[in-house]
Amino acid sequence: EIVLTQSPGTLSLSPGERATLSCRASQSVSSGYLAWYQQKPGQAPRLLIYGASSRATGIPDRFSGSGSGTDFTLTISRLEPEDFAVYYCQQYGNSPFTFGPGTKVDIK
Amino acid sequence: QLQLQESGPGLVKPSETLSLTCTVSGGSISSSGYYWGWIRQPPGKGLEWIGNIYYSGSTYYNPSLKSRVTISVDTSKNQFSLKLRSVTAADTAVYYCARTSSWAGKNWFDPWGQGTLVTVSS
Repeated sequence: EIVLTQSPGTLSLSPGERATLSCRASQSVSSGYLAWYQQKPGQAPRLLIYGASSRATGIPDRFSGSGSGTDFTLTISRLEPEDFAVYYCQQYGNSPFTFGPGTKVDIK
Repeated sequence: QLQLQESGPGLVKPSETLSLTCTVSGGSISSSGYYWGWIRQPPGKGLEWIGNIYYSGSTYYNPSLKSRVTISVDTSKNQFSLKLRSVTAADTAVYYCARTSSWAGKNWFDPWGQGTLVTVSS
């Protein structure tokens, strides 16, 4: 099973700032098969990024993903008020599919 | 627009079986190219994939839960279901259903249902 580690656990930033979230895998993720999700309190996760760097339908271009192998990054170029949430990475290159523990982005 | 909705009891007694149904609307569960999955999230914690099913009935499960889980599909009702046997307090979670792809390398989850909280308690 591939274990995903996310850092930092919490990121405290102000609107307009840049957010950089890390997801590290215990072994190489096949062909960059990694997704990112955003979850707000009381809501289901929403797909942001798949294939490590492809934005899902309707996702603003301030969200971008990068990385390969074992190290992946989600970047939010300029935080909007609605971006404060918890972000999860998920690998789907190997079964069982696994999720990281999440990074909370909160308002500084 | 495809929508998924979970339903089922919100309270289950320890050692009993948790049963949930996901109803798909705005599209057919029999569409080729898609699997349908269950994911859960204990309160305040992260996400755990439970298993997926194809409309033909083909399934694959997380080994950590495989011995207690059965996922089934009813194409006539456009629904798929989850049964988790011998539950304990550790199975208390929000349970989500979601769509994923049948193609290797495309197994992200999108869209998701709103989730339903199941509490295991006597």
